[in-house]
Amino acid sequence: KAGVTQTPRYLIKTRGQQVTLSCSPISGHRSVSWYQQTPGQGLQFLFEYFSETQRNKGNFPGRFSGRQFSNSRSEMNVSTLELGDSALYLCASSPDLGESYEQYFGPGTRLTVT
Amino acid sequence: ILNVEQSPQSLHVQEGDSTNFTCSFPSSNFYALHWYRWETAKSPEALFVMTLNGDEKKKGRISATLNTKEGYSYLYIKGSQPEDSATYLCASLSGYSTLTFGKGTMLLVSP
Repeated sequence: KAGVTQTPRYLIKTRGQQVTLSCSPISGHRSVSWYQQTPGQGLQFLFEYFSETQRNKGNFPGRFSGRQFSNSRSEMNVSTLELGDSALYLCASSPDLGESYEQYFGPGTRLTVT
Repeated sequence: ILNVEQSPQSLHVQEGDSTNFTCSFPSSNFYALHWYRWETAKSPEALFVMTLNGDEKKKGRISATLNTKEGYSYLYIKGSQPEDSATYLCASLSGYSTLTFGKGTMLLVSP
């Protein structure tokens, strides 16, 4: 079974631009979560999608948004990039996170904002 | 406790030593407690998901316990090996699908 894939793996953007990151979950998994990891902060929850519906959102500004498609693939978008958005963005999939299944993480997208 | 807290922040042990880490989490609105191992240059890998008070889980030399009433979990590694070197993360599932992570315990096992 193929694992969770994320594209692109690395990205360099300029302040003010926008970016879209993609996540393809493990086949059959309907829950996709997104996390931001910055030095010293640990993994911060961004949002979780299940069957195309956002079930929960973390404490991030409205510049961070996401969506999930009918095939469970998910995208997250960050508009008007700031230097502080430089981070590793991880997605994780699960059959259903809310039912206490474990998550499987992708390799992450390393975003650098200059 | 409002956040998920892990201690110690880092740990350096010798091969063969046994060690344990602590994870403290809010006991209200609790659904599950996750443990992950995150090795450098790899993705976090799930170790355990525990839901019930008193749960104990084991995978090889690694085991974990859960106390939901007081809001803590322990992770034990028996006979540490260099390949156990990693950051160990715990995360509390609350609000049904919000997973809040601690900052992790970085373990280094020297041969």
